[in-house]
Amino acid sequence: EIVMTQSPATLSVSPGERATLSCRASQSVSSNVGWLQQRPGQSPRLLIFGASTRATGIPARFSGSGSGTEFTLTISSLQSEDFAVYYCQQYDDWPYTFGQGTKLEIK
Amino acid sequence: QITLKESGPTLVKPTQTLTLTCMFSGFSLSTSGVHVGWIRQPPGKALEWLALIYWDDDKRYSPSLKSRLTVTKDSSKNQVVLTMTNVDPVDTGTYYCSHQSGTFWGQGTLVTVSS
Repeated sequence: EIVMTQSPATLSVSPGERATLSCRASQSVSSNVGWLQQRPGQSPRLLIFGASTRATGIPARFSGSGSGTEFTLTISSLQSEDFAVYYCQQYDDWPYTFGQGTKLEIK
Repeated sequence: QITLKESGPTLVKPTQTLTLTCMFSGFSLSTSGVHVGWIRQPPGKALEWLALIYWDDDKRYSPSLKSRLTVTKDSSKNQVVLTMTNVDPVDTGTYYCSHQSGTFWGQGTLVTVSS
């Protein structure tokens, strides 16, 4: 099973600033990585698929990069609604696996 | 517009069988390449993939839960059913179904396993 490791576990950032979240795969997953946002009490929402393609309706301040084993989600200018938990997920090989999540909190 | 909605019991006793239904709209599970997945999330913890079912009835199960899971589909009714046998309190959590590999998600259904 492919292990997805996210860092940091918690990230404290001020509104308007940039946030950078990292995800590492235990083996190459090509570009078959997605990023999801989960707000408290809500279902996860897909932000990025294919490592760098924004899903429909996702603001341009969200961007993804990486391939192979190293991936990054960048939020360029944090808005109040962006403070949530973010998960990376690989869908290159079954079983698909998620990272343990990064909690983005207000500084 | 793609929507999914999970339903099932909120409370199940240990050793019983849990049956969850995912009703969906906006896509067809008869279309080549389409699949529906089940994911769960224990309270305060991360997400875990449980199963996938494809348009051609191919199925995938989490290796750690394979002996306890069964996923079926009824494409004419736009529904997918997940069955989990011999539940335990550690199976408590919110169960989600999703379109494809997480493109769209249902609202989730909270299942508590307790005597």
